[in-house]
Amino acid sequence: LAKTTQPISMDSYEGQEVNITCSHNNIATNDYITWYQQFPSQGPRFIIQGYKTKVTNEVASLFIPADRKSSTLSLPRVSLSDTAVYYCLVGRWGGYNKLIFGAGTRLAVHP
Amino acid sequence: DTEVTQTPKHLVMGMTNKKSLKCEQHMGHRAMYWYKQKAKKPPELMFVYSYEKLSINESVPSRFSPECPNSSLLNLHLHALQPEDSALYLCASSHWGSPGQNNSPLHFGNGTRLTVT
Repeated sequence: LAKTTQPISMDSYEGQEVNITCSHNNIATNDYITWYQQFPSQGPRFIIQGYKTKVTNEVASLFIPADRKSSTLSLPRVSLSDTAVYYCLVGRWGGYNKLIFGAGTRLAVHP
Repeated sequence: DTEVTQTPKHLVMGMTNKKSLKCEQHMGHRAMYWYKQKAKKPPELMFVYSYEKLSINESVPSRFSPECPNSSLLNLHLHALQPEDSALYLCASSHWGSPGQNNSPLHFGNGTRLTVT
């Protein structure tokens, strides 16, 4: 199983770009990298997923270097409502694959 | 609102009670998951069902008994729980497929907040 390591916490201010990096040195060939956001007392919510290079959607970008041993979630122009815990998961979906959460990064966005 | 519905939202039970948590999805997902989350900790995988069959049990104590009666429903039966079992119980679902298919992320419900007294 690919273990992930993220910073425990980060602070930012409204309007800034936030980059959260996740290390996953033993990622397997078939593994995808997926990021989730979680607010208190809610389930994690899918943000973005990628396999290699760069992926962008309406809320975030995901940068994955060629060796795939790390990935960076980029949140442009954060607002107070982006204050949450962000989890990086590495693995493959499906009923026989364990999708294990790492410790996550607590992002606090300040006015 | 989420596409995975969990009931009840809150549950308080004594250590001798029997209760059940319910989860429902109508996205056609054939993999369903139970996770347990303690305060300020990440979700911990408990069980995975694939096509209504239990495929992964993460050495969960037998006082937790999962059931998948059909492709849309997932239950977690609780009996003789301990106060340390108090947590947020999350249900999730995803597509189940074969290598080469596009990956499908997990879709989570908002959980059942369980308190064992």
